[in-house]
Amino acid sequence: QTVVTQEPSLTVSPGGTVTLTCASSTGAVTSDNYPSWFQQKPGQAPRALIYSITNKHSWTPARFSGSLLGGKTALTLSGVQPEDEADYYCLVYYGGAQLSWVFGGGTKLTVL
Amino acid sequence: EVQLLESGGGLVQPGGSLRLSCAASGFTFNNYAMTWVRQAPGKGLEWVSAISASGASTYYADSVRGRFTIARDNSKNTVYLQMVSLRAEDTAVYYCAKDQWLLEYWGQGTLVTVSS
Repeated sequence: QTVVTQEPSLTVSPGGTVTLTCASSTGAVTSDNYPSWFQQKPGQAPRALIYSITNKHSWTPARFSGSLLGGKTALTLSGVQPEDEADYYCLVYYGGAQLSWVFGGGTKLTVL
Repeated sequence: EVQLLESGGGLVQPGGSLRLSCAASGFTFNNYAMTWVRQAPGKGLEWVSAISASGASTYYADSVRGRFTIARDNSKNTVYLQMVSLRAEDTAVYYCAKDQWLLEYWGQGTLVTVSS
């Protein structure tokens, strides 16, 4: 059973910078895993932010960026705004005999 | 404007069946794969299943393989999730999303409750 691990919670001050990471139990996350990131606020459906490591959707604020970092995929928020307080999830693709995608457990980001 | 509207959720007994639907509009439906994702109350997101644009290829999470079947009707711009042998742990909000890679648009979800 493949497990994707994220920090359960992080706290950042308004205007600060924070990096959320996503690790795979199968080894390093690479471009072959096409990692993506989603934001979810209470009572709302998830919203797509980043796909294929670094690519932003047209609605993704410039302060969000994606990368690979030490075998993990990462989401960095620079100049955090109060409205960025939310749950963040990564999604990782696994190829092979049976294709599948696995979400990380999510990171609850508090802006305080 | 892309819209995804899920329906078909409700209360079902353990061992029962349910079929969810997701009606799509605002894009060329038969050009895109579609995905189902669920979220148990107070828990994180779980990828459930995906289907290719033609419907020829389907993919499932281990937790639902053999019990859930994804299908689509491109003439009706609708994707379905047939669920049988439902368990308490299948209780969740079920979302459909456009594409299998970007999941760029999501519906608002439909709640499935499995309980006696």
